[in-house]
Amino acid sequence: TQLLEQSPQFLSIQEGENLTVYCNSSSVFSSLQWYRQEPGEGPVLLVTVVTGGEVKKLKRLTFQFGDARKDSSLHITAAQPGDTGLYLCAGAGAGGTSYGKLTFGQGTILTVHP
Amino acid sequence: DARVTQTPRHKVTEMGQEVTMRCQPILGHNTVFWYRQTMMQGLELLAYFRNRAPLDDSGMPKDRFSAEMPDATLATLKIQPSEPRDSAVYFCASGFRDRGNQPQHFGDGTRLSIL
Repeated sequence: TQLLEQSPQFLSIQEGENLTVYCNSSSVFSSLQWYRQEPGEGPVLLVTVVTGGEVKKLKRLTFQFGDARKDSSLHITAAQPGDTGLYLCAGAGAGGTSYGKLTFGQGTILTVHP
Repeated sequence: DARVTQTPRHKVTEMGQEVTMRCQPILGHNTVFWYRQTMMQGLELLAYFRNRAPLDDSGMPKDRFSAEMPDATLATLKIQPSEPRDSAVYFCASGFRDRGNQPQHFGDGTRLSIL
């Protein structure tokens, strides 16, 4: 069974601060996806990282995939209240019946105070 | 934008009653997933279909849960009989299995409360 450990579970910061969320596993994933979920809605994809060591930027959000494809991080620069939400990492299975399946981390609830 | 549609959005019922949740995947997607989300367990995969055939339902309690895809436009998740511990938000998602690393598109969920 593939597991993804996501940390921290809760994060409460002031507007303008920086933060990093981590996702770690002992398993190798074919890709790592990051989702954001708002109350009353389903998760929405932010980014997919595929290659070990890959870095992707989405405005103030920077996503990194570990060299061994077992871990990932999400860094937000100068957080804004609009960034508030639940952030989920999800690892994609590498093959066989796991192909296309996602293993989700527990999530990080981020609150950015004005 | 195409969306995954789930009905009902909310369901409150008494223990022992049958519950049916429905999902309309995005047209053209060939995989459908059912998840359950709780504060304690996070998002758990219950069942996974490809081209309407069940590929993996190992996350689902078989004695009371069943998942089917009667046709390509409808997926159902049934609980019979329901128990208070089934209270959670149930999400359906769809995607393309044959395109590696493609995202799953989630519906807005069914919030289920079993009294």
